[in-house]
Amino acid sequence: KAGVTQTPRYLIKTRGQQVTLSCSPISGHRSVSWYQQTPGQGLQFLFEYFSETQRNKGNFPGRFSGRQFSNSRSEMNVSTLELGDSALYLCASSLYRAGTETQYFGPGTRLLVL
Amino acid sequence: DQQVKQNSPSLSVQEGRISILNCDYTNSMFDYFLWYKKYPAEGPTFLISISSIKDKNEDGRFTVFLNKSAKHLSLHIVPSQPGDSAVYFCAARSLYGDTPLVFGKGTRLSVIA
Repeated sequence: KAGVTQTPRYLIKTRGQQVTLSCSPISGHRSVSWYQQTPGQGLQFLFEYFSETQRNKGNFPGRFSGRQFSNSRSEMNVSTLELGDSALYLCASSLYRAGTETQYFGPGTRLLVL
Repeated sequence: DQQVKQNSPSLSVQEGRISILNCDYTNSMFDYFLWYKKYPAEGPTFLISISSIKDKNEDGRFTVFLNKSAKHLSLHIVPSQPGDSAVYFCAARSLYGDTPLVFGKGTRLSVIA
């Protein structure tokens, strides 16, 4: 079975731009969660989607948004990028709700905002 | 307000010895705890979990201990191997309260041959 894939793997943007990151979960998995990892802050939860519905949202500004499609693929969007948005963005998938199943992480998208 | 704390940013252990990674939490609603391992340029990999109804869970060289009264959990790796060198994240959530996973900031383990 293929693992969680994330595209692109690396991205450079400038302040004020917007970015869309993509995540394809493991086949059959219906839950997708997104996390931001920055040095010194660990992994911070962004949002969780299950069957196209956002089930949980972390404490991030409205510039961060996401969605999930009927095939469980998910995208997250960050508008009006700020320097502090530079981070590794990780996507994780699980078969059922994220807390009740082992989450499998993708390799992440490293975003650099200049 | 950090609900999950890993107070040691790094740890060095000799190969063959025991590695003990510690994690403290503040939210008494947390009832499910996990450990993840992360290598550079890869996503975190699930290692082991424990429910609050248990105080110990073992899987091969990895054992997680949970002390609910102290709100403390620890991951023991015995014996430690050079391939165990990675960043280890502790995570917790409330299954009953349906909260997302809350991660600690990680501990970098270096196993020296």
